[in-house]
Amino acid sequence: LAKTTQPISMDSYEGQEVNITCSHNNIATNDYITWYQQFPSQGPRFIIQGYKTKVTNEVASLFIPADRKSSTLSLPRVSLSDTAVYYCLVAPTNRDDKIIFGKGTRLHILP
Amino acid sequence: KAGVTQTPRYLIKTRGQQVTLSCSPISGHRSVSWYQQTPGQGLQFLFEYFSETQRNKGNFPGRFSGRQFSNSRSEMNVSTLELGDSALYLCASSPGGRGETQYFGPGTRLLVL
Repeated sequence: LAKTTQPISMDSYEGQEVNITCSHNNIATNDYITWYQQFPSQGPRFIIQGYKTKVTNEVASLFIPADRKSSTLSLPRVSLSDTAVYYCLVAPTNRDDKIIFGKGTRLHILP
Repeated sequence: KAGVTQTPRYLIKTRGQQVTLSCSPISGHRSVSWYQQTPGQGLQFLFEYFSETQRNKGNFPGRFSGRQFSNSRSEMNVSTLELGDSALYLCASSPGGRGETQYFGPGTRLLVL
């Protein structure tokens, strides 16, 4: 059962690159790592998913070291609209494992 | 493709009543999961349905139940509502394999008075 640990909150400035690290020491061999973004009173929105090394899409990059015990979401050149809560989720592939969201990281972008 | 839809979006009930929430998944998705989100507890997993069968269940009392229909639409029911049931209830769908990306709906905001 892979639980995740993330910083509770982070502040950054517009135009900067933001890196949010999540630890998941008990990740299983077949588990994927998924990151979501959530704005107040909305459902979480999928950002990126990866298994190992590096994944990049139009909004973010995900870095996963070889041991897969952590992952880092990288948001390039953030803007005020990136202020949100970011969740790291290790989605279990074992059907008996429950899906556990952590507390997430509250990212606050300053002008 | 249309996203996940949830109805109603807002609901006010009183203690002791029951409530039914509805979720329509993305077309072709066979798995539907339900979550409760509160400021104090965060996002908590309620249950997951796949092909009309409950595949997994979180640690919630039996007052919380759900079902899935043959068209993959899902409903969840909460009976004997308590004040603490006030929350944002989120539904998420995925194609069906475990570990796949889940796509969330906008949620139903339930207020219990």
